[in-house]
Amino acid sequence: AQSVSQHNHHVILSEAASLELGCNYSYGGTVNLFWYVQYPGQHLQLLLKYFSGDPLVKGIKGFEAEFIKSKFSFNLRKPSVQWSDTAEYFCAVSVSGTYKYIFGTGTRLKVLA
Amino acid sequence: DGGITQSPKYLFRKEGQNVTLSCEQNLNHDAMYWYRQDPGQGLRLIYYSQIVNDFQKGDIAEGYSVSREKKESFPLTVTSAQKNPTAFYLCASSMTGGTTEAFFGQGTRLTVV
Repeated sequence: AQSVSQHNHHVILSEAASLELGCNYSYGGTVNLFWYVQYPGQHLQLLLKYFSGDPLVKGIKGFEAEFIKSKFSFNLRKPSVQWSDTAEYFCAVSVSGTYKYIFGTGTRLKVLA
Repeated sequence: DGGITQSPKYLFRKEGQNVTLSCEQNLNHDAMYWYRQDPGQGLRLIYYSQIVNDFQKGDIAEGYSVSREKKESFPLTVTSAQKNPTAFYLCASSMTGGTTEAFFGQGTRLTVV
């Protein structure tokens, strides 16, 4: 069965620090990859997605992620975090045609002003 | 505005009662989903529907039921058979299965009292 692992459950950073959140998936075929963010009191919204092509994808609010197929990874990065990035971040995987999005357990990020 | 509307935002239920959560979308999406979100467990798939009058069980379907009589509507019933129903429930939709991103509603927080 497909699964998604997010290694960091809670991360605390100071403003301007760099961020990297890990995401690994288990599936040997072609996958589509997503990072979603859930700000306090708001609905999940898409940060970025990867379907094919350049493995380095850029999303909203200065976030980017790199797909490394050999490592089954899709880590999220941001060079300099802001207090407003405090949120919960979810990595997700889908396989085309399966109609299932599999989510990781999430990472709660707290950015200290 | 296009989007997904879940109602109510908060719901209280007495043990032993069934309760139905509403989900409506005006995005003209074919696929719809129900997820359950619990702290530290991420999002777990309850049911999904690819087209009208068709739906499939997800990973944690026991104690839940759904219907898909209209393209825009995908209500979820939490039955008295669900042993631990207190949770945050998220409805989502996507244009096609897994090849595009999923869009999420604001969620319904169900509390069993």
